[in-house]
Amino acid sequence: AQSVTQLGSHVSVSEGALVLLRCNYSSSVPPYLFWYVQYPNQGLQLLLKYTSAATLVKGINGFEAEFKKSETSFHLTKPSAHMSDAAEYFCAVSGNNNDMRFGAGTRLTVKP
Amino acid sequence: GAVVSQHPSWVICKSGTSVKIECRSLDFQATTMFWYRQFPKQSLMLMATSNEGSKATYEQGVEKDKFLINHASLTLSTLTVTSAHPEDSSFYICSVADSWTQYFGPGTRLLVL
Repeated sequence: AQSVTQLGSHVSVSEGALVLLRCNYSSSVPPYLFWYVQYPNQGLQLLLKYTSAATLVKGINGFEAEFKKSETSFHLTKPSAHMSDAAEYFCAVSGNNNDMRFGAGTRLTVKP
Repeated sequence: GAVVSQHPSWVICKSGTSVKIECRSLDFQATTMFWYRQFPKQSLMLMATSNEGSKATYEQGVEKDKFLINHASLTLSTLTVTSAHPEDSSFYICSVADSWTQYFGPGTRLLVL
């Protein structure tokens, strides 16, 4: 069975500060890992994905994530937070059968 | 990635009525679509996997007779909430799968009075 755990249900940063959202996974097969962003009353937008190619994955809006097998982690980072980054972020894991499991989500607040 | 639409975006109905939600894949032929529901401030919960031309696969605890899913074409899947009750009020989101990646629709907010 596959699962992800997001550490911290709420993260608050100042505008211009580093954003770090943590995600650890559990998978019995090589995982496919994803980060999605959700704005209020909207669906999920794909930020980036890891599918066994490069371990450092760059996504949209300046976000990136690094797959670390030894730590079973896939943390999401952005060097400088912008007000528009305030949203809910979900980490997800998928296997060969497209069955995707989501973390509980992390709400990012950006302070001016 | 695939572009997915949902209709309607909002629906309010009376208790006991049925509501149909459409999920369309606009630029991708989707053999598999997924239906999720999301309660306020919670994560997504997979309800069922919709397979084109065959019966949907429901997650444990999801009533298949209450949440009817039809995937009649490669671009359209529908979710019908039958005899809706206030506890069915939620945010329903569909997605399509393309090479292990899911692309999501904008969601449908259902309020049952």
